[in-house]
Amino acid sequence: EVQLVQSGAEVKKPGESLKISCKGSGYSFTSYWIGWVRQMPGKGLEWIGIIFPGDSDTRYSPSFQGQVTLSADKSITTAYLQWRSLKASDSAVYYCATGGYQLPFDYWGQGTLVTVSS
Amino acid sequence: EIVLTQSPGTLSLSPGERAALSCRASQSVTANYLAWYQQKPGQAPRLLIYGASSRATGIPDRFSGSGSGTDFTLTISRLEPEDFAMYYCQRYGSSVGTFGQGTKLEIK
Repeated sequence: EVQLVQSGAEVKKPGESLKISCKGSGYSFTSYWIGWVRQMPGKGLEWIGIIFPGDSDTRYSPSFQGQVTLSADKSITTAYLQWRSLKASDSAVYYCATGGYQLPFDYWGQGTLVTVSS
Repeated sequence: EIVLTQSPGTLSLSPGERAALSCRASQSVTANYLAWYQQKPGQAPRLLIYGASSRATGIPDRFSGSGSGTDFTLTISRLEPEDFAMYYCQRYGSSVGTFGQGTKLEIK
């Protein structure tokens, strides 16, 4: 059974750094892209970027390029989404999902709520 | 970058009725790499349709997708109470994906 399990909710202050995780299991982690999607409170889905864990090839939406960093550790089948300096506008639920290049997002994590507030 | 526009923004229907949700792309979608997702409050999205018209595993056959090029439609033939939710289209198959802004399907 394919599963993506994300790390727990985070509460941070503006300017702090953060790295959230997405652990994949039940499939060949290095053979499929993993994508990240943002959903701000009461809003729609936004495509952040995708990473191929096999070689760490990454693609970013122009809206998120330079704002976040995607990475993956294939030894522990875990993908990451990272911020160097959070802003209040980064408050959202973040989802990881398998797929995203020539495949749709077919399996999803449960989401990680990030709250940035002073 | 392709922009996806969904209409209507909100669709009010009763159980048993037929729903048609539209997704229009600003440019032609390559190889019909168009997907539809359903999202209920507090839940992650669920893949319904990919390749514009292929149902994902476990999706009931009352859900169907159609269209090509720039115009796509998700049709729910007979609405069940559990179908009232948000629906998003998404273009994939390139370096950067895009979601539509969503259609809320609500009970009339």
